[in-house]
Amino acid sequence: DVQMTQSPSNLAASPGESVSINCKASKSISKYLAWYQQKPGKANKLLIYSGSTLQSGTPSRFSGSGSGTDFTLTIRNLEPEDFGLYYCQQHNEYPPTFGSGTKLEIK
Amino acid sequence: EVQLQESGPGLVKPSQSLSLTCSVTGYSITSSYRWNWIRKFPGNKLEWMGYINSAGSTNYNPSLKSRISITRDTSKNQFFLQVNSVTTEDTATYYCARATIAAISTRVMDAWGQGASVTVSS
Repeated sequence: DVQMTQSPSNLAASPGESVSINCKASKSISKYLAWYQQKPGKANKLLIYSGSTLQSGTPSRFSGSGSGTDFTLTIRNLEPEDFGLYYCQQHNEYPPTFGSGTKLEIK
Repeated sequence: EVQLQESGPGLVKPSQSLSLTCSVTGYSITSSYRWNWIRKFPGNKLEWMGYINSAGSTNYNPSLKSRISITRDTSKNQFFLQVNSVTTEDTATYYCARATIAAISTRVMDAWGQGASVTVSS
């Protein structure tokens, strides 16, 4: 299975700031990486797939980059609703595997 | 808009079977997509368990293949998860999710349920 290493585990930032979350695959997954947002009591939300393609409805302040083994999710101009838990997931092969999550908190 | 909702017992005894239902509204599970189960362990680790596709074929995570079964009831637009011989390590929040099949986004989960918490304890 492809191992996904996500960092940092925790991140604190203020509204208006920019943050980056990293995800590293144990082998090349081409461009096939997705990012999800998880919030308590809500369904997980797909933000980005294929590394940089925004899912319909994802605000443009979210962006994804990377290919091969190294990927980054960047959130610019943080809004209060952006705080939560973020996961990466490789969708290059079965079984799909996930990073360990990054908790984004308000500073 | 598709919506998924998990349901089932919140407490299961060790060695018994865990059974969960995912009820889907807004889209027919026989039309397209793959219908998945994913679980989140205490500590936040996510594990993909398997799927049933629109034709009724299944694919399971090899790490669980001997213990799980995913089936469906097309008349109710529901699909099900059964995990046999559970231990405390199966304690988790269980999610059902829809996965896309388009080449550029295959294996991407574009819709999720809110999750069902299951504790395995005597």
